[in-house]
Amino acid sequence: NAGVTQTPKFQVLKTGQSMTLQCAQDMNHEYMSWYRQDPGMGLRLIHYSVGAGITDQGEVPNGYNVSRSTTEDFPLRLLSAAPSQTSVYFCASSLTGTGGNQPQHFGDGTRLSIL
Amino acid sequence: AQSVTQLGSHVSVSEGALVLLRCNYSSSVPPYLFWYVQYPNQGLQLLLKYTTGATLVKGINGFEAEFKKSETSFHLTKPSAHMSDAAEYFCAVRGAGGNSKLTFGKGITLSVRP
Repeated sequence: NAGVTQTPKFQVLKTGQSMTLQCAQDMNHEYMSWYRQDPGMGLRLIHYSVGAGITDQGEVPNGYNVSRSTTEDFPLRLLSAAPSQTSVYFCASSLTGTGGNQPQHFGDGTRLSIL
Repeated sequence: AQSVTQLGSHVSVSEGALVLLRCNYSSSVPPYLFWYVQYPNQGLQLLLKYTTGATLVKGINGFEAEFKKSETSFHLTKPSAHMSDAAEYFCAVRGAGGNSKLTFGKGITLSVRP
């Protein structure tokens, strides 16, 4: 059972470039989310989805887009990369969005540097 | 709105000593509380969670936490630290029901001295 898989693990971009961070889960989880982790800031929610076709903004959504066309996949798109988006990005999933007792399962992260 | 406070960014203990990592939360609804651990260059792994029922929760690797509603706290403890416990620890809160989001504290780095 692969769990939550994120690709790529590392990426370097130039300012203004766009890219997509991939996230896939094989646990049939309804709820998926993207976080960014910065030193001293903990994890901050970027976008989340409670099911296929439904997405919503988190705490820091600016500069990022998401879509959820299938239950398994939840890609995160950087539209025009900026140095402030240098961070470690984590994708997570849980069985449902409602019923907050469901723990989230995390991928291993994507380390993104914007030059 | 909900929030989590983890005071301090770094805790250092000797091997075999008690580990105590503090977490205080605020939530307008009965909360679900979680502790996650992150080892270097890895994702977050669930240590333990409090949902309902017994307020003393046991997790993996000998860790436990006690939910104290009157103190709005969910401190993480381990009686005897091991070198392998060195990692970053995150406390998180999630409200019950609805599309409740998981809110994380800023994290605490635990160092274990030989």
